[in-house]
Amino acid sequence: GAVVSQHPSRVICKSGTSVKIECRSLDFQATTMFWYRQFPKQSLMLMATSNEGSKATYEQGVEKDKFLINHASLTLSTLTVTSAHPEDSSFYICSARGGTTYHNEQFFGPGTRLTVL
Amino acid sequence: AQKVTQAQTEISVVEKEDVTLDCVYETRDTTYYLFWYKQPPSGELVFLIRRNSFDEQNEISGRYSWNFQKSTSSFNFTITASQVVDSAVYFCALSEAGNNDMRFGAGTRLTVKP
Repeated sequence: GAVVSQHPSRVICKSGTSVKIECRSLDFQATTMFWYRQFPKQSLMLMATSNEGSKATYEQGVEKDKFLINHASLTLSTLTVTSAHPEDSSFYICSARGGTTYHNEQFFGPGTRLTVL
Repeated sequence: AQKVTQAQTEISVVEKEDVTLDCVYETRDTTYYLFWYKQPPSGELVFLIRRNSFDEQNEISGRYSWNFQKSTSSFNFTITASQVVDSAVYFCALSEAGNNDMRFGAGTRLTVKP
């Protein structure tokens, strides 16, 4: 099956610093990747849709200048949380959309737990 | 806009009991996909099933079964003879054919006690 990895799995940073999270499709090419955020005991909320070679589409209420998304290749998308604050502490999950081989299904990464002190 | 409702926030059962997790959805599309995921404490989503809107046939996989009824816009999930390892949060999700994204329900936290 299709595998999606995320790095790092956990990160702790100081308030005001920037953190980059990588999402990789390991055995397939993904023209579209998605970034979700999950606060404790809540559901996954879509933050943005990332298309290779173009600007990401952000959901309403998500600050695009704070959550920078880059999808420079068919196997890698990155999410950078700029000037992180404690309220950005959350579980970030990416997914990658497989092509027709995978019936356009989404495959999820294992998630990155961000803690901002 | 698509919407998924999981009315049961938490369910607690004793091992070997059967349990049904409810999922009701809303969509204007005629072509859509429904999913169930399991999220154990580690956080990683575990894919359980995907069903497209044209396939109302019920599915059984071991102790798991799914009942898809378009007439009531429901896609319920039943675990038979529950086990402690089934303890997790379960999410129902919907993806419309015309959209890229997937919308999740609020999730149901299942606790199976020994």
